[in-house]
Amino acid sequence: GQQVMQIPQYQHVQEGEDFTTYCNSSTTLSNIQWYKQRPGGHPVFLIQLVKSGEVKKQKRLTFQFGEAKKNSSLHITATQTTDVGTYFCAGRYNFNKFYFGSGTKLNVKP
Amino acid sequence: DTEVTQTPKHLVMGMTNKKSLKCEQHMGHRAMYWYKQKAKKPPELMFVYSYEKLSINESVPSRFSPECPNSSLLNLHLHALQPEDSALYLCASSQVSGLTSLAKNIQYFGAGTRLSVL
Repeated sequence: GQQVMQIPQYQHVQEGEDFTTYCNSSTTLSNIQWYKQRPGGHPVFLIQLVKSGEVKKQKRLTFQFGEAKKNSSLHITATQTTDVGTYFCAGRYNFNKFYFGSGTKLNVKP
Repeated sequence: DTEVTQTPKHLVMGMTNKKSLKCEQHMGHRAMYWYKQKAKKPPELMFVYSYEKLSINESVPSRFSPECPNSSLLNLHLHALQPEDSALYLCASSQVSGLTSLAKNIQYFGAGTRLSVL
């Protein structure tokens, strides 16, 4: 069945280093969303990507959607301690629900 | 107002109890969702309501019973739960849930109800 794979599971970085998390689907997605969940918190929407090859930027965050709409990435430049949390992608196929990736837990050492 | 409000924040219940979780939004959204999230796991979809009608039930056991009394409210009635049902229950809403308006599919999550079943 449909499944969105996300790697890595964990990432520990020194403050100032970059961070990337990747999501991959075996079949074409209609769109993909990214969420951040702080420890003890709830998922907060970051961005939605719809078009093939789409790239969107939010300050130090860069989101990409692959040309085949089967993969996506989130890249954070020069991480800060405020970036700590778990980042989830959520992909949608041709029906009414999103499949969440397993998440990447980011820890940033000051 | 981009807030989804869930009550209670915490709930402890026994296996024979009946309780309800409540979710409210005043953003005019017509799609509402229940998710279950276990520790260190992603949210798992349970139910989707679209225009107050149940559109998706992800084969959830009948001890979980959703209800959408109106476009702003979503309830989850709990009865005879098991200890393995202990989790964070998240409610979310979006403007719509269809594929024709992808820009309106952004989901806003509530803070969740942390449920413990003893």
